Amino acid sequence: DGGITQSPKYLFRKEGQNVTLSCEQNLNHDAMYWYRQDPGQGLRLIYYSQIVNDFQKGDIAEGYSVSREKKESFPLTVTSAQKNPTAFYLCASKGDNTAEQYFGPGTRLTVT
Amino acid sequence: KQEVTQIPAALSVPEGENLVLNCSFTDSAIYNLQWFRQDPGKGLTSLLLIQSSQREQTSGRLNASLDKSSGRSTLYIAASQPGDSATYLCAVRTTSGTYKYIFGTGTRLKVLA
Repeated sequence: DGGITQSPKYLFRKEGQNVTLSCEQNLNHDAMYWYRQDPGQGLRLIYYSQIVNDFQKGDIAEGYSVSREKKESFPLTVTSAQKNPTAFYLCASKGDNTAEQYFGPGTRLTVT
Repeated sequence: KQEVTQIPAALSVPEGENLVLNCSFTDSAIYNLQWFRQDPGKGLTSLLLIQSSQREQTSGRLNASLDKSSGRSTLYIAASQPGDSATYLCAVRTTSGTYKYIFGTGTRLKVLA
């Protein structure tokens, strides 16, 4: 059963703590993306990776970090430097042979 | 800088109506445009993708059109059903050399039974 998984579905953290969101795909896609979605807003690109061991900043990368050590995995760390981390985080992937992006179910992060 | 706009932000229609959702973009140099559906608290589900060389795509009751010269795409939903209630987002990929997508803010659709 191919697809993208994100865990956990809900995550709660105290302010000042770093937290890592998981994204795994078994679609054999080269490109992976992290987006943030706030209420009433569209998706904003945080980081993207076109290939293993390579990634680029998106439009709102400050306070976030990523790694791409394996093709299947693209974890996102929300650091304490992110001023407003509470949001819905979506991971996506895209293969070279497909024009479509495929999305995971999302992780809702609440920081208090 | 590419900007994507979706109007209206919200729409309520009675069941059975045909409806059109709009997506506008400022830079006509796009590689493709993709329409998504998002249910509350869920990820995005791809509905239709139109390549820059295409004028429209159809899937069941859905039809998406693309007019690059005017910077517009429309998503036509025929014979709407309560199960169509969701937020619909469009996204454009601006050049073939990058994998970046720019999303609109979405149209929240409610189909009343």
